[in-house]
This record gives sequence, C-alpha cells and structure tokens, in this order.
Amino acid sequence: AQTVTQSQPEMSVQEAETVTLSCTYDTSESNYYLFWYKQPPSRQMILVIRQEAYKQQNATENRFSVNFQKAAKSFSLKISDSQLGDTAMYFCAFMSYNQGGKLIFGQGTELSVKP
Amino acid sequence: DAGITQSPRYKITETGRQVTLMCHQTWSHSYMFWYRQDLGHGLRLIYYSAAADITDKGEVPDGYVVSRSKTENFPLTLESATRSQTSVYFCASSHPPDRVYGYTFGSGTRLTVV
Repeated sequence: AQTVTQSQPEMSVQEAETVTLSCTYDTSESNYYLFWYKQPPSRQMILVIRQEAYKQQNATENRFSVNFQKAAKSFSLKISDSQLGDTAMYFCAFMSYNQGGKLIFGQGTELSVKP
Repeated sequence: DAGITQSPRYKITETGRQVTLMCHQTWSHSYMFWYRQDLGHGLRLIYYSAAADITDKGEVPDGYVVSRSKTENFPLTLESATRSQTSVYFCASSHPPDRVYGYTFGSGTRLTVV
C-alpha cells in the first residue's frame, strides 16, 4: 500500500522569504502523479501544483516549485517570496495510475507566514 | 452554478442518531469520493464510486454507508453517529482522463457528534 509522509506538522516563514515543505512517499509503482494542495482557513482545497512521475523536469507554477526526487521518493514544495495569503495547511498527495484514481494524502503541514 | 456542492456546511448531531451528508456535482464526473479530515491524519478515504451503482470501500469505511443511484449525487450516511466520527468531511469528484488534474473538492461539512 502507498503511504505519504509529511514530517513537519508546523512551519513558519517571514514574509518575502523562501520556505520548503517536505514530503516523502512509499510505492512500488513506477507510474503515478504527485500533488500539493493548499487549504486556507476557508477550508477549500486548492490544487497548487502537480508532477507526473515520468517527467524528470520539476514542475513550477509562479512562486511555487517542486523538487521531485523519484529514486529517493521525495517531493518537496518550495514557496518563494512568501505572502501572507500563503498561510494555510498544505497537503502532499499521491495518485497511482492503477488504483481507481484514489488520492492518498499526507498528514499536512500548517504554514504561517509572518509579517 | 456548475461545481460540486456539499450540504450542510455545519451539522451538530447526537450520539446514536442517523445523519446524511449530501454531495452533488454538475460536471457528470464518473468518479466521486468521500474523505474525512482529522488533525494529524490528513484526509482519509471513506468510500468512493467509479460510476452510478458502483461503490467501494476506502481506508476508513466502518460506520458509514454510501449510495449512488444517480451520477451527480453521492450521499454519505452515518447510520449511528459516534463521537469518533466528529470530523470535517469532504466530497470530491474527478473524470478518469483528467487524473492529471487531481480532484475537484466540495467546501466540506464540519460534523460534530455530541
């Protein structure tokens, strides 16, 4: 069974600084997707960025980028130029090609951006 | 408006009562999911459905029942609510070819069992 681990329950960063959230996963499969979701206090789940395992190039979306290390089964999220609106819970998630589209989530990291 | 809607947004119920959480989507997505969110556990899958009349258990199905008679609706029923079922419940949907985009989530239902 696949598992996703986020080892940082809470993190904080100063506004305009850079922060990296860690995520590791365990799977025996070679084809899968990885995601980072953001959950602000409104409770809405918002897709931040996604990575397809067969792509070696790291995904980037504006201030958000990932460091995908397939051999190490690591998928960290870097937020550059942190903004107050980035304050949220962040979830790492895994989806296998062959598991009926089920998303498996990590425990979450609560990020606080301080002015 | 198109989208995925959950109701109610907040619910307080008593131990032993039956309660149903509603989920409705307007995209005709074939896949629908129910998750519960608890601190320290992230989101855990309760049940999912690949199509109307096809449902399957997820990681934490005990104490829950689902049905899917129509593609757009996927209600979750707690047959006899317990305090351990106090949680935030999320419904989500996806279309298989769009796996790359992950899910679309509802806004969640915060359920408190007293």
